[in-house]
Amino acid sequence: EADIYQTPRYLVIGTGKKITLECSQTMGHDKMYWYQQDPGMELHLIHYSYGVNSTEKGDLSSESTVSRIRTEHFPLTLESARPSHTSQYLCASRDRYSYEQYFGPGTRLTVT
Amino acid sequence: LAKTTQPISMDSYEGQEVNITCSHNNIATNDYITWYQQFPSQGPRFIIQGYKTKVTNEVASLFIPADRKSSTLSLPRVSLSDTAVYYCLVGDKAAGNKLTFGGGTRVLVKP
Repeated sequence: EADIYQTPRYLVIGTGKKITLECSQTMGHDKMYWYQQDPGMELHLIHYSYGVNSTEKGDLSSESTVSRIRTEHFPLTLESARPSHTSQYLCASRDRYSYEQYFGPGTRLTVT
Repeated sequence: LAKTTQPISMDSYEGQEVNITCSHNNIATNDYITWYQQFPSQGPRFIIQGYKTKVTNEVASLFIPADRKSSTLSLPRVSLSDTAVYYCLVGDKAAGNKLTFGGGTRVLVKP
């Protein structure tokens, strides 16, 4: 059973607010990822990290930022939320020697 | 990263076998083929991975021909709970830090 957690699970917030989506894993995985997915649509990679203090932007441009200060923690921050940020955000991690990504339960964000 | 092409959707009935073929014509020598399953409102879940020939686990089988330019995920005797989106990914775990999910194949299992 994968041990990767995301909080909050659901968030409704007003335009202009700063938000941080939390993602933590207890498996000691080096690689972590953030994906954005609208209902019924494909997953888009927005950020990834291959270790502490390393982060890269993904395939889809995003106004969010990430940090990786500890191996187990990979938070995503939106400085000023907008309705266009409404989506589901999925965090994942994997071991460097494996293709198997473990996904968290996701955060469904609604910006009003 | 090798680009993959798979059907947008497939319908099936309970008890039937479902085969989803993924094309990856520019697969590299070090690339592995991985399949994920995603239920609505959940993150994807790893199903199976292979390099060549046939791989089988308790969930599915993966058939890869000698030229490796395609692969087929086989789901035996599907049930309603197998209704999901199935993604084919190709990549080299040693060199690549990211795995790109395409549109996937939406499988609908009918009673």
